[in-house]
Amino acid sequence: EADIYQTPRYLVIGTGKKITLECSQTMGHDKMYWYQQDPGMELHLIHYSYGVNSTEKGDLSSESTVSRIRTEHFPLTLESARPSHTSQYLCASSAPGGGMAFFGQGTRLTVV
Amino acid sequence: AQSVAQPEDQVNVAEGNPLTVKCTYSVSGNPYLFWYVQYPNRGLQFLLKYITGDNLVKGSYGFEAEFNKSQTSFHLKKPSALVSDSALYFCAVRAYTDKLIFGTGTRLQVFP
Repeated sequence: EADIYQTPRYLVIGTGKKITLECSQTMGHDKMYWYQQDPGMELHLIHYSYGVNSTEKGDLSSESTVSRIRTEHFPLTLESARPSHTSQYLCASSAPGGGMAFFGQGTRLTVV
Repeated sequence: AQSVAQPEDQVNVAEGNPLTVKCTYSVSGNPYLFWYVQYPNRGLQFLLKYITGDNLVKGSYGFEAEFNKSQTSFHLKKPSALVSDSALYFCAVRAYTDKLIFGTGTRLQVFP
């Protein structure tokens, strides 16, 4: 069982609200990732981090921002949610050396 | 740039028959290749990986995958499909950048 947790699992929120999706892992992994998953199923990398104080934009442009102040914590923030942000957000972490990534259960966000 | 292609949106197979889910990749250098499975409303679960060594890799739940360098492919296979194998399957590649890039996913439907 992977030790990576995302909260909340489901979130319905109004347009214009600020939200933070939480992601924490207890495996001490340096690398962490955020993916956005379309309703159809495709996964897009939106942010990643190689360690504390390291964050990079992924391949899909996103209005969200991330921070990495502690190794175990990689929250994602939307300053002003819009209906176009409705999606599933998946967090993952991996050990160095090309190892497998562990995924959280995901947060399904609906902006109304 | 690294990329992964899964040419089939959906694969249908009868229970007890062999299954193949196709994946091809493009990456500079030696690839690290992965297969993940996603069940409804869940995160991704690791199935198997190829880093070096034998071209035939065995993974969880009776799945295996064959690495073919000349065809740049990493097809997922199982000798005898189960209805419970029905899920979304994602191929992924990691290259020197350490980003983990996913294919578009293939929905496997196993019919009784």
